Amino acid sequence: GAVVSQHPSRVICKSGTSVKIECRSLDFQATTMFWYRQFPKQSLMLMATSNEGSKATYEQGVEKDKFLINHASLTLSTLTVTSAHPEDSSFYICSASTPSFSSYEQYFGPGTRLTVT
Amino acid sequence: QQPVQSPQAVILREGEDAVINCSSSKALYSVHWYRQKHGEAPVFLMILLKGGEQKGHEKISASFNEKKQQSSLYLTASQLSYSGTYFCGTEIELSGTASKLTFGTGTRLQVTL
Repeated sequence: GAVVSQHPSRVICKSGTSVKIECRSLDFQATTMFWYRQFPKQSLMLMATSNEGSKATYEQGVEKDKFLINHASLTLSTLTVTSAHPEDSSFYICSASTPSFSSYEQYFGPGTRLTVT
Repeated sequence: QQPVQSPQAVILREGEDAVINCSSSKALYSVHWYRQKHGEAPVFLMILLKGGEQKGHEKISASFNEKKQQSSLYLTASQLSYSGTYFCGTEIELSGTASKLTFGTGTRLQVTL
């Protein structure tokens, strides 16, 4: 159990275009999903917290108009990187959590490697 | 502020033991431990709640000292599969819903033959 998928696993896009990344909980309903960004050899940095049916809560320094998050159902959250630039190139990882897990364990998706050229 | 992990990196021979420490400047409610292999997502290892409990999972165990705001991960009789980067994720509040984690600086562990 507790399987989280992400799509796509890799994406290359041109500067100025938008990219959508999907995060799905496959065998449970996730009331909360988190989006992280990870640069090479660095730790995971939380970008935003997404609760089903409500607006996402963004961390300080994360542009909400650039990183659009939608959590339309209990199994799907999407992150759209708008007007992507080379500095947005990174490894984006989502995690999902639900009250049925003890102490709100977070389970991570396999990640999406975004390269902006 | 990001929790600090020590050591930053460690190389072990198969069968040796290791300890990874995670230290926070804030009062913690829980500590989560993850292992991440290169290019992959972090894999959940265990969670420790406020109360100083210690948990174990086969040859991997952990402790949480809430007074010192520290947690330690113990790897015994290491195996090649233990190689990867270990992160602690700290939670500083309990809101009744899933609380966000602040991840530590990471510890790269390599197990060799």
